[in-house]
Amino acid sequence: SQTIHQWPATLVQPVGSPLSLECTVEGTSNPNLYWYRQAAGRGLQLLFYSVGIGQISSEVPQNLSASRPQDRQFILSSKKLLLSDSGFYLCAWSDGNTEAFFGQGTRLTVV
Amino acid sequence: QQQVKQSPQSLIVQKGGISIINCAYENTAFDYFPWYQQFPGKGPALLIAIRPDVSEKKEGRFTISFNKSAKQFSLHIMDSQPGDSATYFCAARKPGNNRKLIWGLGTSLAVNP
Repeated sequence: SQTIHQWPATLVQPVGSPLSLECTVEGTSNPNLYWYRQAAGRGLQLLFYSVGIGQISSEVPQNLSASRPQDRQFILSSKKLLLSDSGFYLCAWSDGNTEAFFGQGTRLTVV
Repeated sequence: QQQVKQSPQSLIVQKGGISIINCAYENTAFDYFPWYQQFPGKGPALLIAIRPDVSEKKEGRFTISFNKSAKQFSLHIMDSQPGDSATYFCAARKPGNNRKLIWGLGTSLAVNP
């Protein structure tokens, strides 16, 4: 069966520090991968998606970037965090024909 | 521009009652309409989904009603329970290579005991 791992679960980072969140998927190959952000009490905002290694599409301009160095690995990064980067970050995958499966999320607080 | 509009934003229902959440969409090319359930601090999980060639789908206490001509679909939770208290999201999938989901803004459901 397929599983998705996302870590860390919580993270507190100072303003101006770098960020690296990692997501890996097991049990499938060539998944579509997604990074979402969810502000407190708000909906899901798609940040990035990838249909293959090295292929990244950005949905909104922002202080973040994404990379896909391996087929089942998706990384969300920032060089310098802003207060506004705080939120609940979710990684998800799909095989293109079925629904998206989400990880458990990372609660990021920028202080 | 919100391509999928979800209402209400919040909903309070008594135990045993019916919870109804509505979504309307713009793009007639959408080919898949899932509903997700999210508990606090967790990622969303698929609850039930429907394709546009079907007008209704039922799984246990959860039913999706789909009106293609009106471009609307709704989630009905029968015999609502306190354990159903969560945030519910509707979504619609765009055809194409990336199969992105377009999300509603969510409905916070509270079921009172």
